[in-house]
Amino acid sequence: NAGVTQTPKFRVLKTGQSMTLLCAQDMNHEYMYWYRQDPGMGLRLIHYSVGEGTTAKGEVPDGYNVSRLKKQNFLLGLESAAPSQTSVYFCASSYSWTGGLNTEAFFGQGTRLTVV
Amino acid sequence: ELKVEQNPLFLSMQEGKNYTIYCNYSTTSDRLYWYRQDPGKSLESLFVLLSNGAVKQEGRLMASLDTKARLSTLHITAAVHDLSATYFCAVGPNSGYALNFGKGTSLLVTP
Repeated sequence: NAGVTQTPKFRVLKTGQSMTLLCAQDMNHEYMYWYRQDPGMGLRLIHYSVGEGTTAKGEVPDGYNVSRLKKQNFLLGLESAAPSQTSVYFCASSYSWTGGLNTEAFFGQGTRLTVV
Repeated sequence: ELKVEQNPLFLSMQEGKNYTIYCNYSTTSDRLYWYRQDPGKSLESLFVLLSNGAVKQEGRLMASLDTKARLSTLHITAAVHDLSATYFCAVGPNSGYALNFGKGTSLLVTP
């Protein structure tokens, strides 16, 4: 199984450019997440989705948009990139949660984005 | 808002020594996860703790969960260089979906 796959792995953008990061999972997971990781900050949740056609804001959603048109894919968009969005982006997915079942998250390999 | 605090954030220890990393969280939860991250790599799941008193062990690492104290520990026994990595704890809130992560503990094991 491929698990969670992110594309691209690396990208350099100029300020103001736009791009879309793609996340694909083949584990039939309901939940998908986008996190960003910055030095000394741990992982911070940008947006998440609890099912096909649904999205919700996380801790740091400003400057990002997401879409979940298909259950297996979760897209993260930057409409007008800013240097503050230089970061490593991780996509993750997990099972549905019902009454305390395990929601262990499985992570993609990350996308290293630099905005100059 | 669920807050997750790890300490220490940086840890340098000699091979063969023991040490404990602590993870405190601010609201009720019975789902606690430990992840390992090597430099430039993704996060790898180490332990899943889903009930009060849960204890899991894998090799030189042992994790435990005390939901009443809102505390999880990751104990390292007789450290070896291969354990050098960043360790994250993550908590799943009882009324939410996504995991909330601590800032991570950067562990360096030296000869």
